[in-house]
Amino acid sequence: NAGVTQTPKFRVLKTGQSMTLLCAQDMNHEYMYWYRQDPGMGLRLIHYSVGEGTTAKGEVPDGYNVSRLKKQNFLLGLESAAPSQTSVYFCASSYSGGGVNNEQFFGPGTRLTVL
Amino acid sequence: GENVEQHPSTLSVQEGDSAVIKCTYSDSASNYFPWYKQELGKRPQLIIDIRSNVGEKKDQRIAVTLNKTAKHFSLHITETQPEDSAVYFCAASIIARQLTFGSGTQLTVLP
Repeated sequence: NAGVTQTPKFRVLKTGQSMTLLCAQDMNHEYMYWYRQDPGMGLRLIHYSVGEGTTAKGEVPDGYNVSRLKKQNFLLGLESAAPSQTSVYFCASSYSGGGVNNEQFFGPGTRLTVL
Repeated sequence: GENVEQHPSTLSVQEGDSAVIKCTYSDSASNYFPWYKQELGKRPQLIIDIRSNVGEKKDQRIAVTLNKTAKHFSLHITETQPEDSAVYFCAASIIARQLTFGSGTQLTVLP
């Protein structure tokens, strides 16, 4: 099993450009999440999904959109990138939000720089 | 919403000593408290978690304690080793909802 994978690993954008980050998981998890990690600020939730076809806003959703068309994939879009979106982006997935196993499994991250 | 504060932001200990990292949370309804370890350039990984119906949980050299009345929980690492050097994050959630993370603690174990 590959676990949680992210594409791309690195990306440099110019202000105003758009891009999509892809997250894929092969663990049949219902829940998927997108976080951003900035120095000294921990991990902040951007958007999340509790199942195929559903999405919800997290703590810092502005400037981002997401889609969950397939259970195994969760896409994060930046329509018009800004320098404030320079960050490391992590995707995560979990079996469910309830029950015994709540562990979130993280992908390797995408380092995004917006010039 | 939930707010999680984590202290200290940096911690240096001598190899073999113990390390303690503390977190407080604001939402009394939170009942799931995981700890993640993130090595430099790597992804966060769960090392231990605790639920609100338990006051303490141990896994070899790692332990977590929870005080629901005071709304704080702590990570204890005994007999620290160089490979324990990493950033540690606490988090809190109501099970079935999203995690709120603390800002992280950079632990350095000095040889």
